[in-house]
Amino acid sequence: DIVLTQSPATLSVTPGESVSLSCRASQGITTSIHWYQQKSNESPRLLIKYASQSISGIPSRFSGSGSGTDFTLSINRVESEDFSVYYCQQSYTLPLTFGSGTKLEIK
Amino acid sequence: EVKLLESGGGLVQPGSSMRLSCAASGFTFTDFYMYWIRQPAGKAPEWLGFIRNKANGYTTEYNPSVKGRFTISRDNTQNMLYLQMNTLRAEDTATYYCARCGTPVAHWFAYWGQGTLVTVSS
Repeated sequence: DIVLTQSPATLSVTPGESVSLSCRASQGITTSIHWYQQKSNESPRLLIKYASQSISGIPSRFSGSGSGTDFTLSINRVESEDFSVYYCQQSYTLPLTFGSGTKLEIK
Repeated sequence: EVKLLESGGGLVQPGSSMRLSCAASGFTFTDFYMYWIRQPAGKAPEWLGFIRNKANGYTTEYNPSVKGRFTISRDNTQNMLYLQMNTLRAEDTATYYCARCGTPVAHWFAYWGQGTLVTVSS
């Protein structure tokens, strides 16, 4: 199975700061990585597909980059509504797998 | 508007069975692969399996972690997706989601239901 390692587990930031969240795959997966945001007691929401492709309706402050084994979700100037948990997910091969998540919290 | 609505969760005893349902609307159901994903409280989601679309013969794939115990099916006349779960264990306790990709055949999840909670406990 492909293991996705997200870091850091928790990231404490002040609103207005810009942040980068990391997702590292245990083997090369081209750009087959997707990012989700999950707020408390809600279903996950797709933010980015195929490492860097934007999703309709998602604010432009969210962007993604990377290929191979190293991927990054960037949030430009974090807003209060962004404090939640972020997961990466690979679609390169079965079984489909998710990372363990990064919790973005208010400092 | 795409809508997915799960039902059928609740409290069950270890070793028992349960069937979850997902009512789909707002799209041509037979065009899309459909997925089941679960998430224990405070943990990451786990993909359980999917059932392919009409063009790909409605065949299924499963996570090895549940293969042989869980079965995914669909009723294309009613736009319903099902997850039959047998020999349930405490570690199956989770919120169960059905999901759909943004395109007919691709393994990322643009649409999620609200989830249904399954608790396995005596």
